[in-house]
Amino acid sequence: GESVGLHLPTLSVQEGDNSIINCAYSNSASDYFIWYKQESGKGPQFIIDIRSNMDKRQGQRVTVLLNKTVKHLSLQIAATQPGDSAVYFCAENLPGDYKLSFGAGTTVTVRA
Amino acid sequence: NAGVTQTPKFRILKIGQSMTLQCTQDMNHNYMYWYRQDPGMGLKLIYYSVGAGITDKGEVPNGYNVSRSTTEDFPLRLELAAPSQTSVYFCASSYGQSKPQHFGDGTRLSIL
Repeated sequence: GESVGLHLPTLSVQEGDNSIINCAYSNSASDYFIWYKQESGKGPQFIIDIRSNMDKRQGQRVTVLLNKTVKHLSLQIAATQPGDSAVYFCAENLPGDYKLSFGAGTTVTVRA
Repeated sequence: NAGVTQTPKFRILKIGQSMTLQCTQDMNHNYMYWYRQDPGMGLKLIYYSVGAGITDKGEVPNGYNVSRSTTEDFPLRLELAAPSQTSVYFCASSYGQSKPQHFGDGTRLSIL
């Protein structure tokens, strides 16, 4: 089975509200995590990453939180906009491993 | 600022035909990857390469082959197309391990 998964396959958000997308990972040895956004017909686009020695990292309108105690990763999007509608994937990486392990994704729909 | 370029964007094959999916990157990344994405699923790694002349199997390599003669190019070959290979194929590259992977926009392949 997959080592990384998302709690909910879909999320509907009102424009202007904050979005929280959750991800659970099973391998406590993973030391690098990354969030991607995938729009219809496009390839995944890098949003933000975090290493296991950090609990929080902020970007432009996005924040990633890492809780290693419960093996949980979340992506917060502030003031959600229509352009944020997409599928969001989390992925993890083990030390010394070249590949990323992806979850199935959460589809975010922004309501006007 | 091309990034990762994949060709073709779409292709329909008959069972038993062969084809090569092209991938090139202009970021001088040593690491390159091939993934497949089935509907509603995350990405599964087919093959990867850590540098010219070096390739290795990922999670789902059966039915595929790759080569890496240059840093820029990483073609994926299907020798005997099967319906189970109907998918969207993404190529990615990265600067190194535990670094963001940058994706192309994919090749949508149907095998009938």
